[in-house]
Amino acid sequence: SQKIEQNSEALNIQEGKTATLTCNYTNYSPAYLQWYRQDPGRGPVFLLLIRENEKEKRKERLKVTFDTTLKQSLFHITASQPADSATYLCALFSGGYNKLIFGAGTRLAVHP
Amino acid sequence: GAGVSQSPSNKVTEKGKDVELRCDPISGHTALYWYRQSLGQGLEFLIYFQGNSAPDKSGLPSDRFSAERTGGSVSTLTIQRTQQEDSAVYLCASSLGSDPSIQYFGAGTRLSVL
Repeated sequence: SQKIEQNSEALNIQEGKTATLTCNYTNYSPAYLQWYRQDPGRGPVFLLLIRENEKEKRKERLKVTFDTTLKQSLFHITASQPADSATYLCALFSGGYNKLIFGAGTRLAVHP
Repeated sequence: GAGVSQSPSNKVTEKGKDVELRCDPISGHTALYWYRQSLGQGLEFLIYFQGNSAPDKSGLPSDRFSAERTGGSVSTLTIQRTQQEDSAVYLCASSLGSDPSIQYFGAGTRLSVL
């Protein structure tokens, strides 16, 4: 069956450390993968997109990797801040379905 | 504002009543999506519009759910004879419709069925 899995447990880290979130998928061949941030009571906000032929993408303190062999994407936030606390969702686009398929998200809490 | 607008932000209804949820996408966005998010859960895809047509209705949970889009803009999601399990946040997103499809979300409508 097709699945997208993100760590269901919250990730707690200390301010200044690097947060690493994982997104694993099975039985998809995504053309690209996206990461979104969702704050309580708000809709998700787009952060980064990485295509299947790209290994790594960066934007300020954010870095995303995409390994189509492992079927995994890693999302890193360096020098994390309490303001980074939110739920982070991965979403993949599979051309055969012509839509984004979202994972359940991982809640990140950055403590001062 | 230039973002996706949803109304109402909150809706409380009694079991068995019909509800209509509205989404105003970003001007010029040809693609529009409806999702449902239950407490602590991920986004469940409901329906996708390209212009006024819905090429993918595969996520609608039952025939009590329907959606339409008029003028390539505003969309309405209708839930008939609401049930308690329909309680969730209903999110709307729009995109330019080109590849890749970066989606811009509204704040959602929180539906509570008593």
